[in-house]
Amino acid sequence: GAVVSQHPSWVICKSGTSVKIECRSLDFQATTMFWYRQFPKQSLMLMATSNEGSKATYEQGVEKDKFLINHASLTLSTLTVTSAHPEDSSFYICSASGPGTYNEQFFGPGTRLTVL
Amino acid sequence: AQSVTQLGSHVSVSEGALVLLRCNYSSSVPPYLFWYVQYPNQGLQLLLKYTSAATLVKGINGFEAEFKKSETSFHLTKPSAHMSDAAEYFCAVSDLRTGGFKTIFGAGTRLFVKA
Repeated sequence: GAVVSQHPSWVICKSGTSVKIECRSLDFQATTMFWYRQFPKQSLMLMATSNEGSKATYEQGVEKDKFLINHASLTLSTLTVTSAHPEDSSFYICSASGPGTYNEQFFGPGTRLTVL
Repeated sequence: AQSVTQLGSHVSVSEGALVLLRCNYSSSVPPYLFWYVQYPNQGLQLLLKYTSAATLVKGINGFEAEFKKSETSFHLTKPSAHMSDAAEYFCAVSDLRTGGFKTIFGAGTRLFVKA
């Protein structure tokens, strides 16, 4: 199956700093990438959908200026958490789909963000 | 609007016993349905998917699910549980939107397997 990687796998930062998380499709062209947030023992909440070369579409209640998403190439999308605060601490998961994936998303391993 | 309901946030079975995880969906269009498994601090792994072909879908690790339109259900089963099956399981429904598709996840069911 297709492989999606995320980097870093975990990050600890101070309140007020910005953190960038990378999501890469390693062996297929990801025309669409999704960013999810998962709180402990809860389900995945879709934050935004990004199509390569265009602006991301954010879900209701997600601050686009807080969570900057860039999908500049067919293999890379980035999520930047700007001016992070402790309430932004969470598990962030990306997924990707592309031509021929037939509505299937391939998930990255996730990034654990802890804001002190 | 689409939605997914997973009955039971926790399910506990003995090793070797039948696993049944319940999922009901609502959708205004023919749905694509998925079951994913998540191990601690990891991403999601696809177990199986229904995409309007056979109603009985077989997946990895001995899991299968049956799409029942009349019951709007897509329950996940495995005849004999293994200790390694202990994990969080998510049912998901997907629709097709302009420019892509959106997947809605259920709340998840944690499966415990007792020795």
